[in-house]
Amino acid sequence: QKEVEQNSGPLSVPEGAIASLNCTYSDRGSQSFFWYRQYSGKSPELIMSIYSNGDKEDGRFTAQLNKASQYVSLLIRDSQPSDSATYLCAASGGSNYKLTFGKGTLLTVNP
Amino acid sequence: KAGVTQTPRYLIKTRGQQVTLSCSPISGHRSVSWYQQTPGQGLQFLFEYFSETQRNKGNFPGRFSGRQFSNSRSEMNVSTLELGDSALYLCASSRRWGDEQYFGPGTRLTVT
Repeated sequence: QKEVEQNSGPLSVPEGAIASLNCTYSDRGSQSFFWYRQYSGKSPELIMSIYSNGDKEDGRFTAQLNKASQYVSLLIRDSQPSDSATYLCAASGGSNYKLTFGKGTLLTVNP
Repeated sequence: KAGVTQTPRYLIKTRGQQVTLSCSPISGHRSVSWYQQTPGQGLQFLFEYFSETQRNKGNFPGRFSGRQFSNSRSEMNVSTLELGDSALYLCASSRRWGDEQYFGPGTRLTVT
């Protein structure tokens, strides 16, 4: 059973701080990793994808992948109250390429 | 480019009825996946279709079924509705399996 694990939170950070969201996955065959943001009552929105070990930056967001440790993280710099949402980590690959989601981490950014 | 669309957006049904939900993927996307989301349960995978063929299926009873048409549009059907089927049903499309998935706005189903 492929699993993606996330700390459910809530993770609370002050405005302007760095928010660090973490995710581990069980399937070593996983090749593609995604972070989604979901506001309450809305559908998930893709914010980052990462395929290679190392860091990938996009604006205030940095995704980090360590395949040896089976670990993916998302850093949000200069956190804003509008970043308050649930962040979902997802992984795909292996024999059937099914996208497997974690249960999400609730992030609250306090003004 | 238009995003993923889902119809209807809201639906109220009574126990025992059946329901059909529709999803139109992003143009050029041939893979469509369906998810059920309930509070505390996260995204539960229902099934995935690619080129009219079901590639993957989640652990849901046979009351849940789906199909994909030649234009990549997809429908899912739930028969003999139960109260526990009340949820947000999300459709997501991608170019092919394993690629980035883009979600539609969802259909909020309430079973009374």
